[in-house]
Amino acid sequence: EVQLVESGGGLVQPGGSLRLSCVASGFTLSSFEMNWVRQAPGKGLEWISYISSVDDSEHYADSVKGRFTISRDSAKNSLNLQMNSLRPEDTAVYYCARVEFGHSLGQPYWYLDLWGRGTLVSVSS
Amino acid sequence: QTAVTQEPSFSVSPGGTVTLTCGLSSGSVSTSHSPSWYQQTPGQAPRTLIYGTDIRYSGVPDRFSGSVLGNKAALTITGAQADDESDYLCVLYMGSGIWMFGGGTKLTVL
Repeated sequence: EVQLVESGGGLVQPGGSLRLSCVASGFTLSSFEMNWVRQAPGKGLEWISYISSVDDSEHYADSVKGRFTISRDSAKNSLNLQMNSLRPEDTAVYYCARVEFGHSLGQPYWYLDLWGRGTLVSVSS
Repeated sequence: QTAVTQEPSFSVSPGGTVTLTCGLSSGSVSTSHSPSWYQQTPGQAPRTLIYGTDIRYSGVPDRFSGSVLGNKAALTITGAQADDESDYLCVLYMGSGIWMFGGGTKLTVL
């Protein structure tokens, strides 16, 4: 079955660190562009990080730049998110999402075609 | 800083038609942003409805359609059903690995 499963969430104090993992099944994760997306309680979804399938280049939302690092582990077929200097406003459910790319009638498209079920991160003292 | 705008909430009668929109606080949405739409129920991961502006995802009923209307992306539900009551999310691809998410529209069917 093609799926993504996140893990690594939990309760952490402000200033602490956590490492999230997203394990892929049914496909080779390194062949796809991937994203981390989060949803704070009662809020909408927020894109936070992206990694390229071509050169592993990375992009981050301003809200996490300099604190979070996205990476891949090909041996484990997984995507990781190292989160440092955590703040209460980082409290959210964190999802990994796969990017699908293609063309239709000559027009390229990109979208998030596969999502995990999320892992909850709570930052509180 | 540019943001993706969506109606916070919308209501539609059963069997009615509703159009949800997705704009940019600065500028216009075009097909080059590859607008996609997702349905999300509380506690669940988003479900893909529309991608590439107007391509219906596999298994999505044909009462859901996407388009660009003026300077916004649009999701139209024709013949709304009770189980369409949900949150609807618009996502834009800005290029070079940068994505932008709207705040979502809470649709009520009553």
